[in-house]
Amino acid sequence: DSGVTQTPKHLITATGQRVTLRCSPRSGDLSVYWYQQSLDQGLQFLIQYYNGEERAKGNILERFSAQQFPDLHSELNLSSLELGDSALYFCASRATGSQNTEAFFGQGTRLTVV
Amino acid sequence: AQSVAQPEDQVNVAEGNPLTVKCTYSVSGNPYLFWYVQYPNRGLQFLLKYITGDNLVKGSYGFEAEFNKSQTSFHLKKPSALVSDSALYFCAVRYNTDKLIFGTGTRLQVFP
Repeated sequence: DSGVTQTPKHLITATGQRVTLRCSPRSGDLSVYWYQQSLDQGLQFLIQYYNGEERAKGNILERFSAQQFPDLHSELNLSSLELGDSALYFCASRATGSQNTEAFFGQGTRLTVV
Repeated sequence: AQSVAQPEDQVNVAEGNPLTVKCTYSVSGNPYLFWYVQYPNRGLQFLLKYITGDNLVKGSYGFEAEFNKSQTSFHLKKPSALVSDSALYFCAVRYNTDKLIFGTGTRLQVFP
């Protein structure tokens, strides 16, 4: 168990809908990362938050947004969903202070858009 | 821009034989390098990392990795493969940024 919790584990929704994925980081970790894993594009970095503020942005679509709350949990919002958004979405957290610390991943949310 | 390459989509090895999963990186300075493993329907699990110092890094489950600066490589190795090692392996790099950039992954298949 990595200590990172993601809910829900599975989500099936229709095109055009909006969903929210939730992540609780390891206790004490201030950084939260979101990744998308699809069959044809591997693991793509989406966005990072540090202590409530956006720290880095990757290949995140404008239809997607995220936030980190004061209790450090994070939510990834996906709207106007398309079939191509079907993927595994991972959250990771990391103890900051140095770039040499590893990130710990949750078990992911499998999103299926039908 | 920093990047990581895993040249093999799949590696097949017989149980008991040594295994190597290759990784090369492209950054201009001294990176931090990581290996993760993903079992079916699971998240990524951290295996090992290279920060500085000894070029041979030991990690979880008997895995080790060799950092080679001149070849910009960080190959994952294990002296004797187990069927239970069959999984998807990812190499990742972090350099001058908080982002962890992943390779495309290599599927390891260990045959009994």
